[in-house]
Amino acid sequence: DAMVIQNPRYQVTQFGKPVTLSCSQTLNHNVMYWYQQKSSQAPKLLFHYYDKDFNNEADTPDNFQSRRPNTSFCFLDIRSPGLGDAAMYLCATSRARNNQPQHFGDGTRLSIL
Amino acid sequence: AQSVAQPEDQVNVAEGNPLTVKCTYSVSGNPYLFWYVQYPNRGLQFLLKYITGDNLVKGSYGFEAEFNKSQTSFHLKKPSALVSDSALYFCAVRVNQGGKLIFGQGTELSVKP
Repeated sequence: DAMVIQNPRYQVTQFGKPVTLSCSQTLNHNVMYWYQQKSSQAPKLLFHYYDKDFNNEADTPDNFQSRRPNTSFCFLDIRSPGLGDAAMYLCATSRARNNQPQHFGDGTRLSIL
Repeated sequence: AQSVAQPEDQVNVAEGNPLTVKCTYSVSGNPYLFWYVQYPNRGLQFLLKYITGDNLVKGSYGFEAEFNKSQTSFHLKKPSALVSDSALYFCAVRVNQGGKLIFGQGTELSVKP
């Protein structure tokens, strides 16, 4: 089945130690998104790629960066994780049209020691 | 400013009874409206969308939603609730420009046997 896959599902890292979360998709969608979600709150958009065009949200900390080497893969890099970065990170994809839904992966739950 | 409101943090329903999860929105331009469901430790799953046309939209798992332009509402409904419907529900709107999803704060639905 076509889908959005996030690895790993659970990630533990140390305070200040860089961590990378990955997302892959078999939907061949133009747009890929990264969201941060804390304790049953609404997902908060960090940034998105429209093809290779990177779009950062104004309030996304500099600590968070992303790479999209090709259509299928997208990475979230957290350079120096703080305790406040512990959260669920969700990847989503969509076709490049406003009337299309976003398709979400099952997320990576990040814990900071 | 664009916004989505889900006025109830929690909705409790007995199994077999009808359920309604409320959503109102405030956007400029034509809204594209979506409902998503999230089960524990999972990503968001798309339920249904309103783009244009018939105000009553049918979606997955027996859910439907009614678009009301004059009341700027898009309430989620189901005629007969199941215990397995218990989850976190998010309403979201996408406007013409940019395609960014704006989420409501979420409603926790609890269906008791």
